[in-house]
Amino acid sequence: DSGVTQTPKHLITATGQRVTLRCSPRSGDLSVYWYQQSLDQGLQFLIQYYNGEERAKGNILERFSAQQFPDLHSELNLSSLELGDSALYFCASSVAVSNTDTQYFGPGTRLTVL
Amino acid sequence: GNSVTQMEGPVTLSEEAFLTINCTYTATGYPSLFWYVQYPGEGLQLLLKATKADDKGSNKGFEATYRKETTSFHLEKGSVQVSDSAVYFCALRQGGSEKLVFGKGTKLTVNP
Repeated sequence: DSGVTQTPKHLITATGQRVTLRCSPRSGDLSVYWYQQSLDQGLQFLIQYYNGEERAKGNILERFSAQQFPDLHSELNLSSLELGDSALYFCASSVAVSNTDTQYFGPGTRLTVL
Repeated sequence: GNSVTQMEGPVTLSEEAFLTINCTYTATGYPSLFWYVQYPGEGLQLLLKATKADDKGSNKGFEATYRKETTSFHLEKGSVQVSDSAVYFCALRQGGSEKLVFGKGTKLTVNP
């Protein structure tokens, strides 16, 4: 158990809908990352927050947004869902923002768009 | 840009066989290098890491050495077990950036 929790574990929804994925980082970790794992794209970095502020953006679509709250939990919002958004979404956390810090991953949320 | 290339899988071995999974990278400067493992139905777990050239990361019998001259970080284990069956991801983290860049993953199956 990494100490990172993600809810829900599974999500099934329809095209055009909007969903929210939730992540609670390990106790004491200030940095949260979101990654998408799909069969065709592999594991891709989406976005990072540090202590409530957006710090880095990767290949995140404009239909997707995220935020980190004062209690440091984070939410990833996916809207106008398309079939191609079906993937495993991972959250990871680390203590700070050094490139030697270990990122600890949650178990993931599997999103299926029908 | 930064990238990681892993050997294509799947890899199938018998128990107690020697394992090598090749990983090479492209990056500027001196990235940190990682191997993560994903067991069936689970998230990614850090297996080992190395943060500078010639460092050797090791854990659970797995080893990988950061080779700057060949830009490689090959994963090895002398004697695999059935419980090592999983998908293995090589990743790098560039200085000045905290995001991980992953290879495509290599699926390992170990048969008794």
